[in-house]
Amino acid sequence: AQSVTQLGSHVSVSEGALVLLRCNYSSSVPPYLFWYVQYPNQGLQLLLKYTTGATLVKGINGFEAEFKKSETSFHLTKPSAHMSDAAEYFCAVSETGNQFYFGTGTSLTVIP
Amino acid sequence: DGGITQSPKYLFRKEGQNVTLSCEQNLNHDAMYWYRQDPGQGLRLIYYSQIVNDFQKGDIAEGYSVSREKKESFPLTVTSAQKNPTAFYLCASSRIDAANYGYTFGSGTRLTVV
Repeated sequence: AQSVTQLGSHVSVSEGALVLLRCNYSSSVPPYLFWYVQYPNQGLQLLLKYTTGATLVKGINGFEAEFKKSETSFHLTKPSAHMSDAAEYFCAVSETGNQFYFGTGTSLTVIP
Repeated sequence: DGGITQSPKYLFRKEGQNVTLSCEQNLNHDAMYWYRQDPGQGLRLIYYSQIVNDFQKGDIAEGYSVSREKKESFPLTVTSAQKNPTAFYLCASSRIDAANYGYTFGSGTRLTVV
């Protein structure tokens, strides 16, 4: 069965500091992995995705994530946080590529 | 510009009423989805459809119904059987190979029971 665990429902970082949002998954086959961002009262926007190939994936707004099969992880990082990065972030996994399962989300606060 | 339109943005329902949430897309996507979002619980799948006139139950389909009469439209009805309908509802669509492109989401409908 597929599942996604996002450690830390709330993360706070100072402006300019490293952002690290954690995502671990369980899957019986190599999964498809996505990160989405949600701003208040809006839908989700795709940040980046891993399907096959290079395990370090770059996305929009300076975010990147690395697929580590041995650790079943797909953590999201950004070297330097901006105030505009404050939002909720969701990790999603799929074994088939059709139906995705979403984590419970991590709310990122950026402190000026 | 192509996208997904959800309406209304805010909806209030009285106890015992059925309400219908609209979702329309002009992306020519084959698949459409309905998710429910509650604080601290992430997104939970209600129904999805990969082709016109066909749809499948998700993890929390009880108390909800859908139809897919047109490729562009996937309305969700919240029935009186849904005991706790207050939530944020998100509609999404994707190409049939969602793995390569991900989902496109609408901006959501916030439903409140009054």
